[in-house]
Amino acid sequence: SHELTQPPSVSVSPGQTASITCSGEILSKKFAYWYQQKSGQAPVLVIFEDSKRPSGIGERFSGSSSGTVATLSISGAQVEDEAVYYCYSAVTSGNHRVFGGGTKLTVL
Amino acid sequence: EVQLVETGGGLSQPGGSLRLSCAASGFTFNNYEMNWVRQAPGKGLEWIAFTDTSGRTTFHADSVQGRFTISRDNARNSLYLQMNSLRAEDTAIYYCAKEMWGDDAFDVWGQGTLVTVSS
Repeated sequence: SHELTQPPSVSVSPGQTASITCSGEILSKKFAYWYQQKSGQAPVLVIFEDSKRPSGIGERFSGSSSGTVATLSISGAQVEDEAVYYCYSAVTSGNHRVFGGGTKLTVL
Repeated sequence: EVQLVETGGGLSQPGGSLRLSCAASGFTFNNYEMNWVRQAPGKGLEWIAFTDTSGRTTFHADSVQGRFTISRDNARNSLYLQMNSLRAEDTAIYYCAKEMWGDDAFDVWGQGTLVTVSS
């Protein structure tokens, strides 16, 4: 089965760059997507197709992917960026659609 | 405004059934593929079902295969999830999510509806 692995938590100081990784064999063939979920809210798409930002998402959010590892970077992290971040990928010809376990970002 | 509103959640006994609905507005519903994603209390996101624009092609996660069925009514701008043989582990918030056109990204999510399976 396809699996995506993320670190459970990442901590940074305000103004630093936060990097969250997502690893899985599927990423060598398929795009990575990233979602931000703040407490009590629905997820929000922040990166699609490895590195593209949807409209309304700030330039501080960026993504990259190489081999089997995708990375979400948040430059100049702010307290408002505290959330759980999930990566996602899919083999769209079937039911191989999977989220990573999520990474809780703490900015303090 | 593009919006998805889920309804139909609630309490069910193990072995029971529920039907979730997702009302779409603000976009041409029949042009977009749709999904259901759930989140158990305190846990991560789990994709559970996909439908293409016509409803003829659907996929379900192994965890719900044979028990849950995704469907859509394009005339009513609505997405559905029929849930049968419910188990305690199906307790979760259920979100409907719209796919970006031509892409696998979920660019619009509903606010979710809570399903609790308990005796």
